[in-house]
Amino acid sequence: SQELEQSPQSLIVQEGKNLTINCTSSKTLYGLYWYKQKYGEGLIFLMMLQKGGEEKSHEKITAKLDEKKQQSSLHITASQPSHAGIYLCGADGTGTASKLTFGTGTRLQVTL
Amino acid sequence: ETGVTQTPRHLVMGMTNKKSLKCEQHLGHNAMYWYKQSAKKPLELMFVYNFKEQTENNSVPSRFSPECPNSSHLFLHLHTLQPEDSALYLCASSGRTEFTEAFFGQGTRLTVV
Repeated sequence: SQELEQSPQSLIVQEGKNLTINCTSSKTLYGLYWYKQKYGEGLIFLMMLQKGGEEKSHEKITAKLDEKKQQSSLHITASQPSHAGIYLCGADGTGTASKLTFGTGTRLQVTL
Repeated sequence: ETGVTQTPRHLVMGMTNKKSLKCEQHLGHNAMYWYKQSAKKPLELMFVYNFKEQTENNSVPSRFSPECPNSSHLFLHLHTLQPEDSALYLCASSGRTEFTEAFFGQGTRLTVV
């Protein structure tokens, strides 16, 4: 079965600093999804990547899928308190998008 | 607001109780999912329904019983649960198109006492 490893597990950054979260898959990814979760709440979809080398941005968040399609990174520029939460990567390992396997998440805190 | 609504948001139940979780979506999606999120563990897929038919049961104990009466509604019936079943239960739905993203509900925080 496909496994996803996220690093770091938790992160504390000062407001205005940049940060990167990584997601590594044990198998080739057909699709990689990034979600954000506020504590105890549902997941909010951020971005989906499917092509090797693909990069997408939304506001100050940029995600990239490497050429081999086994690793993705999420980069936040000039972090703000509103960026705080748990970031989860989800993988489609079957090519059918019928279900997603998730990593353990990265907990981000942004200090003033 | 993602378009996927879960009720109740919080539930406390005894081990001998029977309760149900409800999930509703009006996004026109044909696939619906139940996920379990426990502390310090990855999201665990429990069940998948496509066009009201169960297509995946991820070795979930029989004390969890899903029901999908139509493509817009999904239930999770609970009975004789254990304290270790306490978790956040998330419902999601996705469209039929390949690589379409899943939309998640807010979750039901379940505590078994």
